[in-house]
Amino acid sequence: KAGVTQTPRYLIKTRGQQVTLSCSPISGHRSVSWYQQTPGQGLQFLFEYFSETQRNKGNFPGRFSGRQFSNSRSEMNVSTLELGDSALYLCASSFERGGDEQFFGPGTRLTVL
Amino acid sequence: SQQGEEDPQALSIQEGENATMNCSYKTSINNLQWYRQNSGRGLVHLILIRSNEREKHSGRLRVTLDTSKKSSSLLITASRAADTASYFCATDEKGGSEKLVFGKGTKLTVNP
Repeated sequence: KAGVTQTPRYLIKTRGQQVTLSCSPISGHRSVSWYQQTPGQGLQFLFEYFSETQRNKGNFPGRFSGRQFSNSRSEMNVSTLELGDSALYLCASSFERGGDEQFFGPGTRLTVL
Repeated sequence: SQQGEEDPQALSIQEGENATMNCSYKTSINNLQWYRQNSGRGLVHLILIRSNEREKHSGRLRVTLDTSKKSSSLLITASRAADTASYFCATDEKGGSEKLVFGKGTKLTVNP
């Protein structure tokens, strides 16, 4: 079974721009979660999608949004980028529950200049 | 906000020694999980222990859970240089929040 894939792996943007990150979960997994990892804040939960519906959301501003498609693939979007958005963005999938064992992708390293 | 807090923040040992990391959390949980992350890469699931379990083994890993103290420990026996990584505990809070809450991690260095 192929693992979780994320594209792109690296991204450099400037302040004010927007960015879209993509995640393909393991085949058969219906839950997709997104996390932001920074040295200062650690791993912070962004949101979780299940069957195209956002089931849970972390404490992030509305500039952070996401969606899930019928094939369970997910995208997250960050608009009006700020320097503090520089981080490793991790996507994880699980069969049904966001609290079950998570399978993580390699992450997208976003740098905002 | 962080649920789990790992202790110590950093640990340096020699190959062949055992490494013990601890995790404390605040709320009732369905399960607690441990993950490993090699430098700036994705996390790898190591072990899941449910709230009604007290101890679990997987290869060189041993995890204990004490729900009365809201704490867990991860023991890696006979460590190897390849075990060098950051280790995170994550909790699935009771109440159906459908998310994992991660601690800040323990950075383990195993010297050859």
